[in-house]
Amino acid sequence: QTVVTQEPSLTVSPGGTVTLTCASSTGAVTSGYYPNWFQQKPGQAPRALIYSTTNKHSWTPARFSGSLLGGKAALTLSGVQPEDEAEYYCLLYYGGAVVFGGGTKLTVL
Amino acid sequence: QITLEESGPTLVKPTQTLTLTCIFSGFSLSTNGVGVGWIRQPPGKALEWLALIYWDDDKRYRPSLKSRLTITKDTSKNQVVLTMTNMDPMDTATYFCAHRAYSSGYFAYWGQGTLVTVSS
Repeated sequence: QTVVTQEPSLTVSPGGTVTLTCASSTGAVTSGYYPNWFQQKPGQAPRALIYSTTNKHSWTPARFSGSLLGGKAALTLSGVQPEDEAEYYCLLYYGGAVVFGGGTKLTVL
Repeated sequence: QITLEESGPTLVKPTQTLTLTCIFSGFSLSTNGVGVGWIRQPPGKALEWLALIYWDDDKRYRPSLKSRLTITKDTSKNQVVLTMTNMDPMDTATYFCAHRAYSSGYFAYWGQGTLVTVSS
């Protein structure tokens, strides 16, 4: 059973920078896992932010960026805004199937 | 404009079979690289991927639920159907369908979700 691990929770100050990570139980995450990132606020469907490691959707704010960092996928928020408080999920690709991470609850305080 | 909408029962009894339909517009499931997936989210818990069907009829399932899931597509009706057998109260969740494509990655577009409660 493949497990994708994220930080359960992180706190950041408004205007600050925070990096969320996404690790695979199978080993180092590479571009071949096509990391995707999603933001979800209470009562809403998830919103896609990043696909294929670094690519932004047309609606993704510029302060969000994706990368690979130390064998993990990473989502960095620079210049955090109060409205960025949300749950963030990563998704990794495993040869046709996909797995979501457990989510990171980001608090802006 | 891509849209997806889930439909199905809001309440099912334990041991019954759940059938959910995803009706979509703005894309074709016969286009190379396109897929539709089902994802669920138990109340207060994380997203769980359940199944994916690709344009070429390749089907993938969550390993732990594979024996209970079937995903099918009707390209002419722009529909994807997910069936889950032997429903249990632990299957109570909001069920989402979502779009996948080479050009936008996995699940760029989502339905609003439908809450399914399993209770006698």
